[in-house]
Amino acid sequence: GAVVSQHPSRVICKSGTSVKIECRSLDFQATTMFWYRQFPKKSLMLMATSNEGSKATYEQGVEKDKFLINHASLTLSTLTVTSAHPEDSSFYICSASPRVGEQYFGPGTRLTVT
Amino acid sequence: GEDVEQSLFLSVREGDSSVINCTYTDSSSTYLYWYKQEPGAGLQLLTYIFSNMDMKQDQRLTVLLNKKDKHLSLRIADTQTGDSAIYFCAAWGTGGGNKLTFGTGTQLKVEL
Repeated sequence: GAVVSQHPSRVICKSGTSVKIECRSLDFQATTMFWYRQFPKKSLMLMATSNEGSKATYEQGVEKDKFLINHASLTLSTLTVTSAHPEDSSFYICSASPRVGEQYFGPGTRLTVT
Repeated sequence: GEDVEQSLFLSVREGDSSVINCTYTDSSSTYLYWYKQEPGAGLQLLTYIFSNMDMKQDQRLTVLLNKKDKHLSLRIADTQTGDSAIYFCAAWGTGGGNKLTFGTGTQLKVEL
């Protein structure tokens, strides 16, 4: 149990375009989902926390207009990177939390912006 | 906020025990976790411990928590080559804003 999927697993896009990444909890409902960014050989950096039906809470320094988060249901959250630039290339990981203290992570999405 | 620190690298021989250490700063941390990340993959939850526990054992994994010193360790018995990965400790607490704060990650290399 407690499986989280992400789609796509890898994406390459041109500079200036937008990319949407989906995060789904497959066998549980997640009241809260988190989006992280991981740079090579680095730890995970929390970008934002999203609760179903409400606006996401962004961490300091994360542009909410650039990284649009939608938590449409208890099993789906999406992250849209708008007007992507090469510096947005990274590994994006989501996690889903059915209750406080429990987080299950997705397999990650490798974004490359050319 | 919370700070979580780990040593960056650990090398062990196959069959030996590995001990990965972690320190954290927020005394209100309620849950402490160990995650494993293999190259190009997401995070796999290995084990976790509540702050009111001193030790938790799960097959080859033993977690020790010294709450006074804010020190957490993960011991892997009979380490195998498949254990080679990056190991992250993470703390969840109100001081960190009710979110997970990750350590820097420890690269474990298992040699034959």
